[in-house]
Amino acid sequence: GQQLNQSPQSMFIQEGEDVSMNCTSSSIFNTWLWYKQDPGEGPVLLIALYKAGELTSNGRLTAQFGITRKDSFLNISASIPSDVGIYFCAGQSDAGNMLTFGGGTRLMVKP
Amino acid sequence: NAGVMQNPRHLVRRRGQEARLRCSPMKGHSHVYWYRQLPEEGLKFMVYLQKENIIDESGMPKERFSAEFPKEGPSILRIQQVVRGDSAAYFCASSPGQARGYTFGSGTRLTVV
Repeated sequence: GQQLNQSPQSMFIQEGEDVSMNCTSSSIFNTWLWYKQDPGEGPVLLIALYKAGELTSNGRLTAQFGITRKDSFLNISASIPSDVGIYFCAGQSDAGNMLTFGGGTRLMVKP
Repeated sequence: NAGVMQNPRHLVRRRGQEARLRCSPMKGHSHVYWYRQLPEEGLKFMVYLQKENIIDESGMPKERFSAEFPKEGPSILRIQQVVRGDSAAYFCASSPGQARGYTFGSGTRLTVV
């Protein structure tokens, strides 16, 4: 089945630093999504990418849909304590289909 | 406009009992998805339903698990004769149609003792 490799598994950074995480896939996806999950809650959609090569920003977050459609990255600039949480990438082959999730990147921010 | 509502938030069951998890999709959404998350892992797809139809159940275990989304009322994920390995967080998501990406609920955390 499809697999998403997400890295790094965890990051411990200083407040104000920039963060980068990425996902690679063994197969092509037509949509890439980035979610954030806080403890005890469901994933919340941060950014959705619909076209190969697309670069999209949402505040301090920037994500890109790789040209090969097999990878994506998420950058967070000038991290703040509330950025703490687990970030998941997810790929979707076609509209309406299931999402395949990466294993998550646990972000910890030291004030 | 309420989001995806799941209840209960926490559910404790003894081995061999039945667990029933409920999901009310967002208003106007007719597509529901169920996912399972084990500790320290990503979410794994279980089943995709539309009103009164199962569209894709490729992620559902073959035994003890069933799901429905009736014409009226919430979607139900049912686990019969629960075992310790069923302990996990179960998330429901909904969309208005065949959407790219969708909204998740806060989940039901099932603990089997």
